[in-house]
Amino acid sequence: DTEVTQTPKHLVMGMTNKKSLKCEQHMGHRAMYWYKQKAKKPPELMFVYSYEKLSINESVPSRFSPECPNSSLLNLHLHALQPEDSALYLCASSHDPTGGETQYFGPGTRLLVL
Amino acid sequence: ILNVEQSPQSLHVQEGDSTNFTCSFPSSNFYALHWYRWETAKSPEALFVMTLNGDEKKKGQISATLNTKEGYSYLYIKGSQPEDSATYLCAFKRTRQLTFGSGTQLTVLP
Repeated sequence: DTEVTQTPKHLVMGMTNKKSLKCEQHMGHRAMYWYKQKAKKPPELMFVYSYEKLSINESVPSRFSPECPNSSLLNLHLHALQPEDSALYLCASSHDPTGGETQYFGPGTRLLVL
Repeated sequence: ILNVEQSPQSLHVQEGDSTNFTCSFPSSNFYALHWYRWETAKSPEALFVMTLNGDEKKKGQISATLNTKEGYSYLYIKGSQPEDSATYLCAFKRTRQLTFGSGTQLTVLP
């Protein structure tokens, strides 16, 4: 199974809402990633978890809060977002946390903040 | 700032045509270069991970070459088919994590 799943596929939320994005993989990968992609732009790394610990935070605002409850799951908690946070949020995983190996991506959650 | 540039931004070809596109990256402290294929509404799919100067990789009708000294990689598609229509992303790794290019959007017309 080389699949990374993400839920929900689409999400619309207001600026005062709290919501969560979920990501799951069952490949035994020990690194998991959150990326943000705006239209016509490259995916930008937000967070990296390595062995269930946060190893990289690319200066992401605190209104985004990642969580890795176990080695298969990765959440992204959203609170008090701004309209400019509307984007496609991609989750990925890899066997090796150093970034040299293939990353397996989910299909993404398309988020709209009103 | 680490810039990964891809060209062209978009490309339309006829079915059966061969095509190629370019990924340019900084040549210093190279670690790895990844190519991904991304169809609309699907997950990005890994094509190649290339690490050595002069590497050539092939998967079906798709192949890639790598020149780390001058900082570029070419992706070639021989005999394009409509199902090859996708965005092709490259991603460069130096010291930390992957930095992606904006992609080349390929449309293969039947």
